Amino acid sequence: DTAVSQTPKYLVTQMGNDKSIKCEQNLGHDTMYWYKQDSKKFLKIMFSYNNKELIINETVPNRFSPKSPDKAHLNLHINSLELGDSAVYFCASNPNGGYYGYTFGSGTRLTVV
Amino acid sequence: LAKTTQPISMDSYEGQEVNITCSHNNIATNDYITWYQQFPSQGPRFIIQGYKTKVTNEVASLFIPADRKSSTLSLPRVSLSDTAVYYCLVGDVNAGNNRKLIWGLGTSLAVNP
Repeated sequence: DTAVSQTPKYLVTQMGNDKSIKCEQNLGHDTMYWYKQDSKKFLKIMFSYNNKELIINETVPNRFSPKSPDKAHLNLHINSLELGDSAVYFCASNPNGGYYGYTFGSGTRLTVV
Repeated sequence: LAKTTQPISMDSYEGQEVNITCSHNNIATNDYITWYQQFPSQGPRFIIQGYKTKVTNEVASLFIPADRKSSTLSLPRVSLSDTAVYYCLVGDVNAGNNRKLIWGLGTSLAVNP
C-alpha cells in the first residue's frame, strides 16, 4: 500500500483551465502539506493542514485552493491555470507538524501549455 | 529563503565514503538538522535527523560539531543507487508559531561505476 498517494501523476492542460490534484495518506498522520518544486528543483511549501485545519498558507495566488475533507485527504484545486504554474506538486504528511517524519507522495507533474 | 548552504553537486565512485557538509550559521537553539534524499521523479525521503554530536542509522551518519553551525552527512560505501539529490534542512517557525521546513537546492550526488 502506498503511504501517500496522489493523482494524477501527470497532468497536461491548457492555460485558463481549472484542474484538481488529489492526495490521500494512510499513515494516520495529523498534518498534510502541498509543496511545489520548480524546474530548478527548489521545493517550496504552499499549504499545511493539521487535522483538517489550515495552519500554513504561504504566499500563493488565491487561484490555488486546498481542501481537506478529513485528515487523510488534502486536495489542491487550481483555477485559471497559467504557464508559470507548470511544476511538480508534491503532497506530504507527517505525524504532528514537526520537523521530522515527512512522507512524500511521488508527485504530480503539471504542464500548462 | 533557505537557511542552509550546501554544495550544488558532488561526484563519487562506487564503494567510496561520501561526506556532504552543510552550513547553517543562523541555526536556532531549538532547531534540529534533518537530511532528505530525492531520487528523480520521486518525492524526498527522510534519511536522518540530529541535534548535536553524532547520529547513526542503517543508512547514514550525521556529524554535528559543538557550535552546530554546520553538519556533515556521511554515506558509507556508496553504490550507484545512491545517486540522488540530498537536502539539508533546519526548521523555522512562522508568525503563527507553526513549524515548517525550509528547503534549499540540495546537493546533487552522482555515483559513478
